Amino acid sequence: DGGITQSPKYLFRKEGQNVTLSCEQNLNHDAMYWYRQDPGQGLRLIYYSQIVNDFQKGDIAEGYSVSREKKESFPLTVTSAQKNPTAFYLCASSMQGFDQPQHFGDGTRLSIL
Amino acid sequence: KQEVTQIPAALSVPEGENLVLNCSFTDSAIYNLQWFRQDPGKGLTSLLLIQSSQREQTSGRLNASLDKSSGRSTLYIAASQPGDSATYLCAVVADYGGSQGNLIFGKGTKLSVKP
Repeated sequence: DGGITQSPKYLFRKEGQNVTLSCEQNLNHDAMYWYRQDPGQGLRLIYYSQIVNDFQKGDIAEGYSVSREKKESFPLTVTSAQKNPTAFYLCASSMQGFDQPQHFGDGTRLSIL
Repeated sequence: KQEVTQIPAALSVPEGENLVLNCSFTDSAIYNLQWFRQDPGKGLTSLLLIQSSQREQTSGRLNASLDKSSGRSTLYIAASQPGDSATYLCAVVADYGGSQGNLIFGKGTKLSVKP
């Protein structure tokens, strides 16, 4: 079945530690996105990539980094510079074009130890 | 700056009732509007996507309308069922500036359908 796989489902970070969230898709989509969701809030865009080897900052990119070396993969690193990383992180993908719907993974919940 | 608002924040209805969820956006320059469903602790499931040139979309018991000029969309759910209980999110794709092509979300309406 085609879809978006996020791993792990739960992740814990110690103070001063970097952690990486995985996102893989087999939908042959060109564009991929990372969102952050806080309780009672809408989703906010962290980073997005329209094509391999290219990515752009979203509204809340500070303290995060990404790479897009393969079309299928768009990992997100939460660095120690992100002072409030506890949140639910969602990855999405879509075909090229602003009129295309985005499809989402099941998310990763990140907590601080 | 585009802002998306969803009212009410929470809604509780008895099973079988027809209901309407509301979404408003501040700037009519959008490519499309998408309605999503989110179950607790889960990702988003796309329900309906309305392109800016369209007025409505239907899927089963769901009907979404779009009025770009007034900055409003509604999601109509017919004959609600307990399985419809979830948070419903509305999002628009901006048609301008640095946010062009990106989804901008409302905070959602949490729906509870009582048996």
